[in-house]
Amino acid sequence: GENVEQHPSTLSVQEGDSAVIKCTYSDSASNYFPWYKQELGKRPQLIIDIRSNVGEKKDQRIAVTLNKTAKHFSLHITETQPEDSAVYFCAASSNTGGFKTIFGAGTRLFVKA
Amino acid sequence: DTEVTQTPKHLVMGMTNKKSLKCEQHMGHRAMYWYKQKAKKPPELMFVYSYEKLSINESVPSRFSPECPNSSLLNLHLHALQPEDSALYLCASSLGLAGRTDTQYFGPGTRLTVL
Repeated sequence: GENVEQHPSTLSVQEGDSAVIKCTYSDSASNYFPWYKQELGKRPQLIIDIRSNVGEKKDQRIAVTLNKTAKHFSLHITETQPEDSAVYFCAASSNTGGFKTIFGAGTRLFVKA
Repeated sequence: DTEVTQTPKHLVMGMTNKKSLKCEQHMGHRAMYWYKQKAKKPPELMFVYSYEKLSINESVPSRFSPECPNSSLLNLHLHALQPEDSALYLCASSLGLAGRTDTQYFGPGTRLTVL
């Protein structure tokens, strides 16, 4: 079945460093790739997304890249801050047979002050 | 109104109880979703409604029964649950335009404990 693999499962960085999280998807019909941040006890919140017709998108300190041929997409956070500490989920969505979204297993990011 | 709301926030029920979870949005979204999230795991899709019709059922046991009474409301009826069903139940909504996938906005969730 459809699958999204996400690495690493845990990432610890020093404040000010960059963090990179990578995901791979299996469903060729996937055409929308959101990234969610989930703080403890809170709902997942969208931080950035990218569509399959775009290779890169940036929003201030956050950027996402997509390699559709290789079915890889990555999240890049620059100048990390302690408030970036959270669990980050990548996801792959398609609209064939309904609006289906498959989430990666998550990356727990720790930013040390 | 740009939020998805869910009630109750917390629910404790016995295995013989019948209860319902409620979700509401007033953003004009036509796709609504139920997810189950266990601790330290990603959200796991259960059901998708598109224009008030069930479009995806991810082989969820029949003790979970979804209902979409109108375009703003989504319910999840619970009956004869098992302790392993204890989890955070998240509702989400998206625009739901035909042929286009869009951002899903999540509610705060209902934390369910089955005794």
